[in-house]
Amino acid sequence: SQTIHQWPATLVQPVGSPLSLECTVEGTSNPNLYWYRQAAGRGLQLLFYSVGIGQISSEVPQNLSASRPQDRQFILSSKKLLLSDSGFYLCAWSVEFSKETQYFGPGTRLLVL
Amino acid sequence: AQSVTQPDIHITVSEGASLELRCNYSYGATPYLFWYVQSPGQGLQLLLKYFSGDTLVQGIKGFEAEFKRSQSSFNLRKPSVHWSDAAEYFCAAGTSGTYKYIFGTGTRLKVLA
Repeated sequence: SQTIHQWPATLVQPVGSPLSLECTVEGTSNPNLYWYRQAAGRGLQLLFYSVGIGQISSEVPQNLSASRPQDRQFILSSKKLLLSDSGFYLCAWSVEFSKETQYFGPGTRLLVL
Repeated sequence: AQSVTQPDIHITVSEGASLELRCNYSYGATPYLFWYVQSPGQGLQLLLKYFSGDTLVQGIKGFEAEFKRSQSSFNLRKPSVHWSDAAEYFCAAGTSGTYKYIFGTGTRLKVLA
């Protein structure tokens, strides 16, 4: 069966510091991968998605970037965090293109102080 | 523009009572529809999904949802709520040929003992 991991689970970082959040998927090959952000009291906002190694699509302009160095690894990064980057970050994966069901990881809670 | 609306931000029900969570969508064509549940501090778990066919969809944990094209709705129901159902529920929609889900802003369910 497939599993998705995210780490760290919780992170507290000062403004201006760098960020690296990692997501890995097990039990499947060539998954589509997604990064979402969930702000308090709001829905989920798609940040990035990837259909293959090195292929990243950005949905919203922002202070963040994403990379996919390996087939089942997806990394969310920032060079300098802003207060507004605080939130709950969720990674998700899916298999089929035409009938997408996305499966979510446990999330990383980021607090920027 | 495509959108998913969950009109109820909070809902409180007594344990054992029936539940209906509302979801309305606005899309050019019939989208794929999903309901997810999120426990505090956790990722999203898929409850059920609708792609086509039978408009009454059965999911996990005793939940079901009914797709009504004429009302552009996909409401989630459960005949008897358990205390463990207290969580936040998200409706989402997507279409064939796109990787993008649109999520509603969520409905937080509180269950009274």
